[in-house]
Amino acid sequence: GQQLNQNPQSMFIQEGEDVSMNCTSSSIFNTWLWYKQDPGEGPVLLIALYKAGELTSNGRLTAQFGITRKDSFLNISASIPSDVGIYFCAGPPRGGGSQGNLIFGKGTKLSVKP
Amino acid sequence: EAGVTQFPSHSVIEKGQTVTLRCDPISGHDNLYWYRRVMGKEIKFLLHFVKESKQDESGMPNNRFLAERTGGTYSTLKVQPAELEDSGVYFCASSPYRRAAADTQYFGPGTRLTVL
Repeated sequence: GQQLNQNPQSMFIQEGEDVSMNCTSSSIFNTWLWYKQDPGEGPVLLIALYKAGELTSNGRLTAQFGITRKDSFLNISASIPSDVGIYFCAGPPRGGGSQGNLIFGKGTKLSVKP
Repeated sequence: EAGVTQFPSHSVIEKGQTVTLRCDPISGHDNLYWYRRVMGKEIKFLLHFVKESKQDESGMPNNRFLAERTGGTYSTLKVQPAELEDSGVYFCASSPYRRAAADTQYFGPGTRLTVL
């Protein structure tokens, strides 16, 4: 089945640094979603991408839908301590399954040192 | 408006026992999803309800798992008998649209299940 590979698995950065993470697949996705999970909470949608090449921002977060439709990138500028959490990429599977169920990557765990 | 709630937040049981997880979706949401994350792995889809009907249960691991959504409101997920590999965090999500869309799911905080 379709899989999403997220890199890196974890990051330890200093407050104020920029962060980059990516998500790749061997197959095409028509929608890319980026979620953040805070400790003890469920994933919360940060950014949704719908078209190849699309670049979308949400505050200090910027995500891009790769041209090949097989990858996506998430950047966080000027990180702050509340950026700590696990970031997941996700997308709906092609060609099957109920509408709405999602495939997720394994997540990138972000730690920020004040 | 209250979000998706799940009960319990944590459950520790022994292998062979039964556990029932509950999810209360956002009021009025027809679509309800169950997902599971085993430690260090991806969040995996288990099943999807539209109101009280199972739309897709292709992700259910085996017949030890039984999900219900009587009356189309809250849902339960029963594991009987529980095995060690069932440990993980079980998330519920709900979506308001009749035609489910990938970007409209609201997730609950999850139930962390530990099977000893």
